[in-house]
Amino acid sequence: ENVLTQSPAIMSASLGEKVTMSCRASSSVNYMYWYQQKSDASPKLWIYYTSNLAPGVPARFSGSGSGNSYSLTISSMEGEDAATYYCQQFTSSPLTFGAGTKLELK
Amino acid sequence: QVQLKQSGPGLVQPSQSLSITCTVSGFSLTSYGVHWVRQSPGKGLEWLGVIWSGGSTDYNAAFISRLSISKDNSKSQVFFKMNSLQADDTAIYYCARNGYYIDYWGQGTTLTVSS
Repeated sequence: ENVLTQSPAIMSASLGEKVTMSCRASSSVNYMYWYQQKSDASPKLWIYYTSNLAPGVPARFSGSGSGNSYSLTISSMEGEDAATYYCQQFTSSPLTFGAGTKLELK
Repeated sequence: QVQLKQSGPGLVQPSQSLSITCTVSGFSLTSYGVHWVRQSPGKGLEWLGVIWSGGSTDYNAAFISRLSISKDNSKSQVFFKMNSLQADDTAIYYCARNGYYIDYWGQGTTLTVSS
């Protein structure tokens, strides 16, 4: 199966700080998807087709990457961005998720 | 609006089976697939399987021997059944809609496997 490795596992950022998190796939994928999850809530689609923001996602978020390496960037950290972010692929079965990057407000 | 509402038990004894119904609204099961994903502290998010709009299914090979997914389009319901449950199946189980990708998730069913 295609293993997705997210780094860092935990990170903290101050308000206004730029944030970048990584997702590396053990095999190349066509697209990467990102989900945001807050405590006691279901995951929410955040970024699809590698770089497209889901409806309602603030423009300070962006996604990029290709092949085995992908990233999610926040241009300026806001308090509401504190959450866990998961990457996901379905280029090959089984569909797999990364272990998540927990983003905290410093 | 798009909604996926899950119903099912919260506690199951070891070796028993789990059945969850995912009732959808705001879209048709003849146009969208539905995935099942579980989440546990030890294993994170695990994909279990999917039933596609046409009714075919794909399962994670790790669960194929004890997993079944079916649906009733007319009732807008998807049925999930997993057999031979053990303690490490304790998790939150989600159904989630698939158009070209997973976009909406149900509220989750918290399952504890314990005697």
